[in-house]
Amino acid sequence: GQNIDQPTEMTATEGAIVQINCTYQTSGFNGLFWYQQHAGEAPTFLSYNVLDGLEEKGRFSSFLSRSKGYSYLLLKELQMKDSASYLCAVRDGNDYKLSFGAGTTVTVRA
Amino acid sequence: DGGITQSPKYLFRKEGQNVTLSCEQNLNHDAMYWYRQDPGQGLRLIYYSQIVNDFQKGDIAEGYSVSREKKESFPLTVTSAQKNPTAFYLCASSIDFAGEGPFYEQYFGPGTRLTVT
Repeated sequence: GQNIDQPTEMTATEGAIVQINCTYQTSGFNGLFWYQQHAGEAPTFLSYNVLDGLEEKGRFSSFLSRSKGYSYLLLKELQMKDSASYLCAVRDGNDYKLSFGAGTTVTVRA
Repeated sequence: DGGITQSPKYLFRKEGQNVTLSCEQNLNHDAMYWYRQDPGQGLRLIYYSQIVNDFQKGDIAEGYSVSREKKESFPLTVTSAQKNPTAFYLCASSIDFAGEGPFYEQYFGPGTRLTVT
């Protein structure tokens, strides 16, 4: 199984940058996913990392360090619509199941 | 448009009644999943199915049952044995279960919020 930790809440100003950290302890690792979830809606896929390093996709970037059991999601040029919960999920290398963190609620203020 | 549908969006039941939540996908995905989401907690896996006519228990299967008679459908029954059924239920699917890479991301339906009183 996995033990996944991420901060509960973060607040930032429109146009700024926010970094959401995720740490995990795993018995096997087969990739890390970030999802965005607006209140009352379905999670939507943002990014995937399986090798160490940075993956950039527009305003969103995700970083992984497997040796440290650490990832972060970087949101740049924040917009009001980025206010949402961001879920870190780790895929187990043994049974392929996803384990989710509790989510980080990001509030973007004008 | 391809996607996953769940109905209804809101469901109310009396304690002691069984209730079935529907999940349909037209993505031609082999694998399907059921999660529940509670405030302050991560999504927890209830059941999953790697292929039609097959399913396995997840981390919190007690009080739930599923079937997978068709590739596109994976209904979840919340039985009266589930001690705390009020939650937000999410269905998901992926191309495959044990495949590698980002293409095996899980796609989620809009969810059903179940309230049992």
